[in-house]
Amino acid sequence: RKEVEQDPGPFNVPEGATVAFNCTYSNSASQSFFWYRQDCRKEPKLLMSVYSSGNEDGRFTAQLNRASQYISLLIRDSKLSDSATYLCVWGGMDMGRRALTFGSGTRLQVQP
Amino acid sequence: DAGVTQSPTHLIKTRGQQVTLRCSPKSGHDTVSWYQQALGQGPQFIFQYYEEEERQRGNFPDRFSGHQFPNYSSELNVNALLLGDSALYLCASSRRRTSRETQYFGPGTRLLVL
Repeated sequence: RKEVEQDPGPFNVPEGATVAFNCTYSNSASQSFFWYRQDCRKEPKLLMSVYSSGNEDGRFTAQLNRASQYISLLIRDSKLSDSATYLCVWGGMDMGRRALTFGSGTRLQVQP
Repeated sequence: DAGVTQSPTHLIKTRGQQVTLRCSPKSGHDTVSWYQQALGQGPQFIFQYYEEEERQRGNFPDRFSGHQFPNYSSELNVNALLLGDSALYLCASSRRRTSRETQYFGPGTRLLVL
């Protein structure tokens, strides 16, 4: 079983739609979770951290469910510029000094 | 404030050759991690350097080696290249003592092995 599993997509949605991605992880000792965004042929960039209490940043909401070992990302009012691959990531207790484990990514295509 | 930089941006090699990739971390960062990203996959951790020593290593063969210099910059070396080594190689930097800060990635080096 992969350490981090994501639906590869692609998710094709119209502008203005709400879309949700889920990601499951296998290591119950995982301490920190993130969503990274990666544009085509570019490097991954941190979108948001994921906290147990859930967190929101504008149109983006991330949730963590430790009991079921999954994290989710909700994007409201999708924009064309949201088209990208979204990577689910977990790390150890000290993010700066531990390897990050990435899922394979979920591709989102927002259409006009 | 310069972010993470990597060189070269693209590279073409043939099987059996050796390659060296370079990375300069973000200002104020002292830890460098290297990742390999094959097409359609997420990045896979290769190893991490701090204080000029390899601190953690992923599931990669000894053909992959690295180095960190006193100015925190780093090199990734790959010997005896295989076709399967074709990938985007990403460098990420971080501050070891800042536990709540994640890693920042450079633009990557795209390696093609023919």
